[in-house]
Amino acid sequence: DAGVIQSPRHEVTEMGQEVTLRCKPISGHNSLFWYRQTMMRGLELLIYFNNNVPIDDSGMPEDRFSAKMPNASFSTLKIQPSEPRDSAVYFCASSFSWTNEKLFFGSGTQLSVL
Amino acid sequence: GQNIDQPTEMTATEGAIVQINCTYQTSGFNGLFWYQQHAGEAPTFLSYNVLDGLEEKGRFSSFLSRSKGYSYLLLKELQMKDSASYLCAALYGQNFVFGPGTRLSVLP
Repeated sequence: DAGVIQSPRHEVTEMGQEVTLRCKPISGHNSLFWYRQTMMRGLELLIYFNNNVPIDDSGMPEDRFSAKMPNASFSTLKIQPSEPRDSAVYFCASSFSWTNEKLFFGSGTQLSVL
Repeated sequence: GQNIDQPTEMTATEGAIVQINCTYQTSGFNGLFWYQQHAGEAPTFLSYNVLDGLEEKGRFSSFLSRSKGYSYLLLKELQMKDSASYLCAALYGQNFVFGPGTRLSVLP
């Protein structure tokens, strides 16, 4: 299995631009998580899906952030408009189920908003 | 909130043993995970504890005390490649809450 695949690996954009991060979970996994990691705040959960349905989006910072999972093999995290404080590494992770199952992380997207 | 506490940094010598502690809030707790994260890479799974006691897996062991809200990761026979951040994550319901991570430096 190729593991969790994220794209792009690096994204540099200007403040105000729209940013779309993509994730393909491991085939057969039915839970998908989006995390953000910074030096100051560590690894923070933004949103997670179970069977393509958003279960908890309380970690999404504000309305500028949105996430979708149109099918079992694809999810997007969109930031519109982006701001410099959004600069971070964004990880997507998947698991077989949403309880008591280890997470498999993608390689992450390093986002820099100038 | 569900605060997870770990030491920020630790240093140890190659071949030694190191113990990384983690404390968490016990209300709603479902299980405790440890992940390893090398610089610039994604976290990778190390261990999982749901019952009290010690889980051993090669050079790495993890301990859990549910009543005390306490876990530790024990690394034996340290190698240079063990230099990384170690993240403690507690499961509450369906939500994984990660600690800030402990940066371990292994010196020759």
